[in-house]
Amino acid sequence: QVQLQESGPGLVKPSETLSLTCSVSGGSVISGSYYWSWVRQPPGKGLEWIGYVFYSGTTNYNPSLKSRVSISVDTSKNQFSLTLSSVTAADTAVYYCARDVILRYFDSWGQGTLVTVSS
Amino acid sequence: QSALTQPASVSGTPGQSITISCTGTSSDIGGYNFVSWYQQHPGKAPKLMIYDVSERSSGISYRFSGSKSGSTASLTISGLQPEDEATYYCTSYTSGNTLRVFGEGTKLTVL
Repeated sequence: QVQLQESGPGLVKPSETLSLTCSVSGGSVISGSYYWSWVRQPPGKGLEWIGYVFYSGTTNYNPSLKSRVSISVDTSKNQFSLTLSSVTAADTAVYYCARDVILRYFDSWGQGTLVTVSS
Repeated sequence: QSALTQPASVSGTPGQSITISCTGTSSDIGGYNFVSWYQQHPGKAPKLMIYDVSERSSGISYRFSGSKSGSTASLTISGLQPEDEATYYCTSYTSGNTLRVFGEGTKLTVL
């Protein structure tokens, strides 16, 4: 049973860069069957897909965030990471990493980590 | 990219059946069989319930079923139980540039 676990700072200052890592256990990020995605949820609101990375390093991002987001994979550590630059209060959210069955559905999720953007 | 349209809330009593609708367009729900449904309890991560329109995820009760007609997908929960009280989200692949689109969520209350 694959497990995902997010880690990173819970507080980021406005205009700075948010950085999170998702550690994968019980499975390998090196798989042709999955993308590795980030999804966020502002407090009290719905879900927003941020983007994905494939084990080869291929990425795709939500156009609304594309200019600020980068997702990378480290196959040696079985991890993938998210960076979001120039953050504002609107980026305050619970950030989830998820295993993405090639754009069909998310079959495994991390527990989520709340990132607050505040000075 | 517009979100999929779900009712904000539905309610039912234990033992009843309820249906949650999720309306999209021919670019998403109407064009592909890649609709999935997630259950989210407060403070918890979403949990996959249904994928590919009507396939139950591993370990999910037979009380949960999914279907699609045209550009509207539906999640039906039969024999409502108190633990079904949660928010339910639909999502679909889309040919639009966002690649996937989420519904706004439906809060299910079991009275």
